[in-house]
Amino acid sequence: GQNIDQPTEMTATEGAIVQINCTYQTSGFNGLFWYQQHAGEAPTFLSYNVLDGLEEKGRFSSFLSRSKGYSYLLLKELQMKDSASYLCAVTDSNYQLIWGAGTKLIIKP
Amino acid sequence: NAGVTQTPKFRILKIGQSMTLQCTQDMNHNYMYWYRQDPGMGLKLIYYSVGAGITDKGEVPNGYNVSRSTTEDFPLRLELAAPSQTSVYFCASSYSTTNTGELFFGEGSRLTVL
Repeated sequence: GQNIDQPTEMTATEGAIVQINCTYQTSGFNGLFWYQQHAGEAPTFLSYNVLDGLEEKGRFSSFLSRSKGYSYLLLKELQMKDSASYLCAVTDSNYQLIWGAGTKLIIKP
Repeated sequence: NAGVTQTPKFRILKIGQSMTLQCTQDMNHNYMYWYRQDPGMGLKLIYYSVGAGITDKGEVPNGYNVSRSTTEDFPLRLELAAPSQTSVYFCASSYSTTNTGELFFGEGSRLTVL
C-alpha cells in the first residue's frame, strides 16, 4: 500500500530552527508538496519538490531525496504564527495525490 | 479574487437527512476536488472533476454525489447522512491536470451528524 509518515507532533522554541521529516512509500513519484494548515483553517501551499535537493523560500526550506523516499521541511527563526500543522503530500505514478496525516507544530515563547 | 468559496461553514444534520455543500471558484480552474479531513488522518479524496460535465470517484465516494455543470461550481451532495460523515470538508481547485500543481482550498465546511 501507499504510505506517508510524518511525526504527529513537535514542539520548538520561538526564534529557533525546526526540521519536520516526511518519509513516503508510494507507487512511483511525481512530486512532493508541503502545505501549512492553521487550526480551523484551510491548507495553504508552501513548497513543491520534484528533483533532489534543497528549495529555499524565505524562512522555509524543503529538501527531497527520491532515492531515500524522504523529505524535510526546515523552518528557521520560528515565530509564534508558525504554530500550525504541516502536511506532506506525494503525487504517485498515476498522478494521484497521497496525503500524510500532518505534523502539529507547537511553538513556545 | 475570492478564490474558492464554500458554504455553509458549519452545519448540524440529523441521521438520514440530506444536504448539499456548495463550492465555487473564480480562477477558471478546470480541476476541482472534494476532500474530507478527520482528526489524525490525511486528507481523503471524495470526488474530483477534470472539467464541466466530467466527474469521477476518489478514495471515499460512498454516501456522496457530485455534479459539475459549470467550470465554476462543484457542489457535493450528502444523501442519508450518517454519523460516519461527521468531518471537515474541503473543496479545492487546481490549474494542474496532473496533481503536480498547487491546490487552492476553500475555508472548509464543518459537518456534524447526530
